[in-house]
Amino acid sequence: TQLLEQSPQFLSIQEGENLTVYCNSSSVFSSLQWYRQEPGEGPVLLVTVVTGGEVKKLKRLTFQFGDARKDSSLHITAAQPGDTGLYLCAGEPPDSSYKLIFGSGTRLLVRP
Amino acid sequence: ETGVTQTPRHLVMGMTNKKSLKCEQHLGHNAMYWYKQSAKKPLELMFVYSLEERVENNSVPSRFSPECPNSSHLFLHLHTLQPEDSALYLCASSQETGTDTQYFGPGTRLTVL
Repeated sequence: TQLLEQSPQFLSIQEGENLTVYCNSSSVFSSLQWYRQEPGEGPVLLVTVVTGGEVKKLKRLTFQFGDARKDSSLHITAAQPGDTGLYLCAGEPPDSSYKLIFGSGTRLLVRP
Repeated sequence: ETGVTQTPRHLVMGMTNKKSLKCEQHLGHNAMYWYKQSAKKPLELMFVYSLEERVENNSVPSRFSPECPNSSHLFLHLHTLQPEDSALYLCASSQETGTDTQYFGPGTRLTVL
């Protein structure tokens, strides 16, 4: 069974701080997606990374896919209260493109 | 607003009740999904429909019965549920099954007493 472990599970930081969230697995994925979910809403896709070693930037968010395509990280620079939410990673198994495997999430709180 | 709506947003039901969750997508997509999000477990895929045909039933108990009358609507019929079925039920759609981006609805928060 493919699993994705996210760490940390909870993170409470002050506005302006930097943070990194990790998504790790022992399995290879064809691609990896990052979502943000706010209270009372469904997850919203932030980015998809496909190539091992790929780095994508979305304003203050930097996403990296591991060289072996087994892990990923999300780095937020100068966090703002609007970044508060549940961050989910989801991997696409090589044998099934729609059966995404989700991590358990990192709940981020950015205090003003 | 993602173009995927779900009703009701909240539902409380007893174990002997029968209820249905509704999902509607306004994106012209051909694939629709049901997910379960529990407090202590990762998001779990339940069912996948492509062009109104079920292509995946991820070992879901028979007390959950999906229905997809057309590519825009998806239902989840519930009967004789257990308290451990309490969760957030999310609907999603994508252009096709495959690598297309999935767009999620806001979910139905279900509580089974």
